[in-house]
Amino acid sequence: AQTVTQSQPEMSVQEAETVTLSCTYDTSENNYYLFWYKQPPSRQMILVIRQEAYKQQNATENRFSVNFQKAAKSFSLKISDSQLGDTAMYFCLYRGNTGTASKLTFGTGTRLQVTL
Amino acid sequence: KAGVTQTPRYLIKTRGQQVTLSCSPISGHRSVSWYQQTPGQGLQFLFEYFSETQRNKGNFPGRFSGRQFSNSRSEMNVSTLELGDSALYLCASSGGSTGEQYFGPGTRLTVT
Repeated sequence: AQTVTQSQPEMSVQEAETVTLSCTYDTSENNYYLFWYKQPPSRQMILVIRQEAYKQQNATENRFSVNFQKAAKSFSLKISDSQLGDTAMYFCLYRGNTGTASKLTFGTGTRLQVTL
Repeated sequence: KAGVTQTPRYLIKTRGQQVTLSCSPISGHRSVSWYQQTPGQGLQFLFEYFSETQRNKGNFPGRFSGRQFSNSRSEMNVSTLELGDSALYLCASSGGSTGEQYFGPGTRLTVT
């Protein structure tokens, strides 16, 4: 069974600084997808970034980038130039190949607080 | 495109009752997944439907069931409600090969 671990329950960063959230996972699959989602106080889940396991290049979306280390089964999220609006819960999501009966597994989340 | 919609947004039920939640996916999306979110257990996968067939199932008792219609709309049913079923139930639809999930606003279920 897949497991996803987010070892940082809470983190704090000052506005304009950079912060990295960690995510590790355990799987025996070779093809899979990883995602970071943001859940602000409104509880609406918002896709931040995705990474396909077969791609070696790390995904980037504006101020958000990932460090994907497939061998180490690590998928960290870096937020650059942090903004107050980045304050939210961040969840890492694992998904096996969509053609297989692979369960979707979330990590336990990291609560990020951006301060002035 | 309109986003994922869930109805109702809030619901209060009594122990022992049953409840049905509805989810309308983004137009063109054929996959719908359901999740339960609680402070104690976090986000847990319930099940996933694709083209009216259950493709994946999480580790929940048989009281939790679902179905998907030909228009991809999905319903989730919980029978014999327990206090522990109080949670935010999230629905997500997916349409691409990468399986990224687009979430609805959720249904807040309170069981008293």
